[in-house]
This record gives sequence, C-alpha cells and structure tokens, in this order.
Amino acid sequence: QSALTQPASVSGSPGQSITIPCTGTSNDVGTYNLVSWYQQHPGKAPKLIIYQVTKWPSGVSTRFSGSKSGNTASLTISGLQAEDEADYYCSSAESGTQILFGGGTKLTVL
Amino acid sequence: EVQLLESGGGLVQRGGSLRLSCAASGFTFSTYAMTWVRQAPGKGLEWVSSIRGGGAIAYYADSLKGRFIISRDNSKNMLSLEMNNLRAEDTAVYYCAKVRDTGGYYEYDSWGQGILVTVSS
Repeated sequence: QSALTQPASVSGSPGQSITIPCTGTSNDVGTYNLVSWYQQHPGKAPKLIIYQVTKWPSGVSTRFSGSKSGNTASLTISGLQAEDEADYYCSSAESGTQILFGGGTKLTVL
Repeated sequence: EVQLLESGGGLVQRGGSLRLSCAASGFTFSTYAMTWVRQAPGKGLEWVSSIRGGGAIAYYADSLKGRFIISRDNSKNMLSLEMNNLRAEDTAVYYCAKVRDTGGYYEYDSWGQGILVTVSS
C-alpha cells in the first residue's frame, strides 16, 4: 500500500483560511469515511484534531474542519493563528486491515 | 487523565531484537484497542500495528513482514511490541497510542511521548 498524498508545505497569514488536501484511492479515502487528521508540533506527540472525516474530538477548536470529495479528503483551518504552525497528517483505513498515513504537510503561519 | 508511558527503547545492532512496553493508566485499558505508530527521524508517521481490547486480534503493517509482534497484558495495563530482525529502516521514535473508541482501531486520541529505537549497522 502507498502513503496518502499531501503537499509538503502550505502557508498563510494570521486570520486567513488554508486547506490541506489528502489524496488517496478508491481503496482507502474514496471508500471509507475513516479519515483522521493529526497535528504535530516539533518534538511533540501527534494530536487528533478530526476523525471520521468531519468530527471533532472533545476540546478541539472548531476552526479545524474536515471534508471529503471522491478520493480526496481535506482539512481546513480558518482564522489562522500562530499556534497553528505545525505538521499535519491525514490517515485513512484501507481495504483489508491497513491504516495509511499521509506524508505530512508543514504549515507555516506568515 | 489518560497517560501512556513507553519504555524499552535504545540502541540495537542490525539483526537484533528489542521489546517496547507501554504502561497505560487513566482509562479502562481492556476496553480499547491500542496501537503502535512510528516516525523515522525527520519523516512522517507510519502505522505499525494495532491490537483489539481482548488481545486476541492484531493487525500489522504489510511492510513489517512478520518481524514484529504486538501483545497486551490487561491485568497489568501494559502494551508491548516485540521487534525482531531489526533493520536500519526501523530506526524511529515509536509511539504508543490509545484508539479513540471501543469499536475500531482507526483513530488515536491519546499518545505517549514516544521512545527512540536506533538500529546500528
């Protein structure tokens, strides 16, 4: 199985919105509503911010939102803040028993 | 508060073995599947293995080709990962993570701090 595809980097200014795409195939993202997103600050463990494409874990800001169209899932961060600067990873269940992660996207807040 | 504390990492020679442990607290351990995720230096996350709450059903990344074994001791709230025939590409920080809900193993809502495994050639 191949990793999900994410852009290596995105950037935005404070207050703006950005979107990070996560492209898979019909064997994973396209079939299963089991896409999750994780935020990881340098030297820290990942943090779950979106699960099952659109749902928020308790305590996560609603500035983070998820969506999916076909084989591509997306994470949108609205009202960018300096603390949002981090690496973001998508994941998805795959047909069979595998869990795939994306390669990660580094978000820079300008 | 959920707490996950990994131990057992370190330096090991290529071809050697290592056993990681993860001590869990703050939740009903036996109710939740658990997972290991790794991250090579400067690289992205990679799912390694998951095990159901009862311990009878486990899943592995195809890339591991049977070298790793996940297990759990629900009487001790402990998760383990036995790693055999280690290769340089297994060098990574290994995270223990709790699965979010009791029904699947697809998303991870609590993570340990991670432990470094270095395989020397």
